[in-house]
Amino acid sequence: EVQLVESGGGLVQPGGSLRLSCAASGFTFNIYWMSWVRQAPGKGLEWVANIKQDGSEKYYVDSVKGRFTISRDNAKNSLYLQLNSLRAEDTAVYYCARDVGRIVGALRRDYWGQGTLVTVSS
Amino acid sequence: QSVLTQPPSVSGAPGQRVTISCTGSSSNIGAGYDVHWYQQLPGTAPKLLIYDNSNRPSGVPDRFSGSKSGTSASLAITGLQAEDEADYYCQSFDSSLSAYYVFGTGTKVTVL
Repeated sequence: EVQLVESGGGLVQPGGSLRLSCAASGFTFNIYWMSWVRQAPGKGLEWVANIKQDGSEKYYVDSVKGRFTISRDNAKNSLYLQLNSLRAEDTAVYYCARDVGRIVGALRRDYWGQGTLVTVSS
Repeated sequence: QSVLTQPPSVSGAPGQRVTISCTGSSSNIGAGYDVHWYQQLPGTAPKLLIYDNSNRPSGVPDRFSGSKSGTSASLAITGLQAEDEADYYCQSFDSSLSAYYVFGTGTKVTVL
């Protein structure tokens, strides 16, 4: 059974940092692209970043470029998101998701974790 | 702000058919990129419902169907059931904007 379990969320002040983790199990982690998707309270879904199987390609939504860093450790079956220079508008539930598809332009998220809440407030 | 537009809400009685539209542009759906649909039940994580425009993952009832034409896509739910009450999002790839993968604005389906 595919499982994705996020952790690391919490309350942080504006300008602060946080590192999110996602522990994957039930599938061969190192053959899948992986994504982070977030959802602000009462709002819709927003794709944040994704990373290729070997970590050689990473893509980000413009609003987080230069502030967030996606990474992975295939030996530990883990995905990470380093959040720096946090802003109030980064407040959201952050989901880890597995990507599948023929090509980068066709990737979809076929399994999702339960999410971890990040609250940016003073 | 999303580049894929969906109606905020649709509703129907049990057993009825409802459709949700997803309108994009020439840089996403109209460029030939596939559309995927997700269902988000209250308080839970999204779940993949339809992929590559019209395909259902294993376990998804055939009451759910998807289609795509031009710069738009649609999700249809036939034989609406109480358990279908949820938020639904379309998703595609955009070659021109600040986000590679774009989600629709979301549609709340209410079963009357």
